[in-house]
Amino acid sequence: ILNVEQSPQSLHVQEGDSTNFTCSFPSSNFYALHWYRWETAKSPEALFVMTLNGDEKKKGRISATLNTKEGYSYLYIKGSQPEDSATYLCAFPGSGNTGKLIFGQGTTLQVKP
Amino acid sequence: DGGITQSPKYLFRKEGQNVTLSCEQNLNHDAMYWYRQDPGQGLRLIYYSQIVNDFQKGDIAEGYSVSREKKESFPLTVTSAQKNPTAFYLCASSPGTSGRGPYNEQFFGPGTRLTVL
Repeated sequence: ILNVEQSPQSLHVQEGDSTNFTCSFPSSNFYALHWYRWETAKSPEALFVMTLNGDEKKKGRISATLNTKEGYSYLYIKGSQPEDSATYLCAFPGSGNTGKLIFGQGTTLQVKP
Repeated sequence: DGGITQSPKYLFRKEGQNVTLSCEQNLNHDAMYWYRQDPGQGLRLIYYSQIVNDFQKGDIAEGYSVSREKKESFPLTVTSAQKNPTAFYLCASSPGTSGRGPYNEQFFGPGTRLTVL
């Protein structure tokens, strides 16, 4: 089974701090890397689907970078707000064209006002 | 509104009983998935279906069964053979996989929390 690792497991920051966390995935047979945000009492929602080495995607104050050669992606949040508090999941396609995703265990971010 | 619905939100089961979790989508998606979440762990794939009348086992299929008789519906049955069924169950869907499977984001339902008494 392919392994997807996220670090840290949890993070507490103050409002206004910038933060980042890591997703590590197998560097061979790369198709794509997914990031999802899962807020408490809501459903997980896709943030980014990244496909190209060196790719950088941005959505508001959240951005992500991708290094497929070394097998990692960073998610950055600039000027964290309490509404950014959530669990951030990355996922790696399991095999071929099935659409299967293997999820990391997530990084839970708590932003204190 | 388009989306995915799961019911019930909470489910209690006695040991030895089978229970069925409902998942319905009106997004016209071909692919549907069932995941299980346990504390401190990521989402683990139970079963997935890429097309009506076809489904495949995921990483933790033992003790579960599914059917895909309609495009919109992908119910999951937790059987008495599942040793530790207490968990949070999420259903998801994504557009057709023909060549695009790894690139399609998944859309998730609100989940069902199953507790075995």
